Amino acid sequence: IAGITQAPTSQILAAGRRMTLRCTQDMRHNAMYWYRQDLGLGLRLIHYSNTAGTTGKGEVPDGYSVSRANTDDFPLTLASAVPSQTSVYFCASSENRATGELFFGEGSRLTVL
Amino acid sequence: AQTVTQSQPEMSVQEAETVTLSCTYDTSESDYYLFWYKQPPSRQMILVIRQEAYKQQNATENRFSVNFQKAAKSFSLKISDSQLGDAAMYFCAYGSSNTGKLIFGQGTTLQVKP
Repeated sequence: IAGITQAPTSQILAAGRRMTLRCTQDMRHNAMYWYRQDLGLGLRLIHYSNTAGTTGKGEVPDGYSVSRANTDDFPLTLASAVPSQTSVYFCASSENRATGELFFGEGSRLTVL
Repeated sequence: AQTVTQSQPEMSVQEAETVTLSCTYDTSESDYYLFWYKQPPSRQMILVIRQEAYKQQNATENRFSVNFQKAAKSFSLKISDSQLGDAAMYFCAYGSSNTGKLIFGQGTTLQVKP
């Protein structure tokens, strides 16, 4: 069982470019999340989805968009990347909304120059 | 909006000793869940312990236990008989049953000295 798969693992991106981070889970979990991890700031919630077809804004949603067309996939898009979006991005899922264990992907390290 | 605060950026403990990591949160909700996660250098997040807010009894998992003070909005983690493998960053997290949001604190880096 793969759990949560994130791609790419690492990416260097020029400012102004569009970028999509992919996230796929095979656990049929209802809820999915995107976080960014920055030194000293912990993990900050970008967007989340309680079920397929619904999304919600987290703590730091500006500059990011998500979609949840089906249960398994939850891509995160940076429409026009800026250097402040340099971070490690984690996708996570849980069986039900915010009540159970989170399962995390291995993270995507993004550098915006 | 809910917030989670971990006021100790770094802590250290001698092997076999006990250490307590602090966490406070702010919310106006009554139905929520609290978590402690561990992130070792491998970067993989591992659930340490989970507490339902409606339960007064403190959760315990082997050497890990929490002190949940709902009125004070405090949720500290106690690690007993610390081991070298406990060295990691620890995150406190709050899960809203209402919105589905799950937010984290800033993290505490725990060093275990042999």
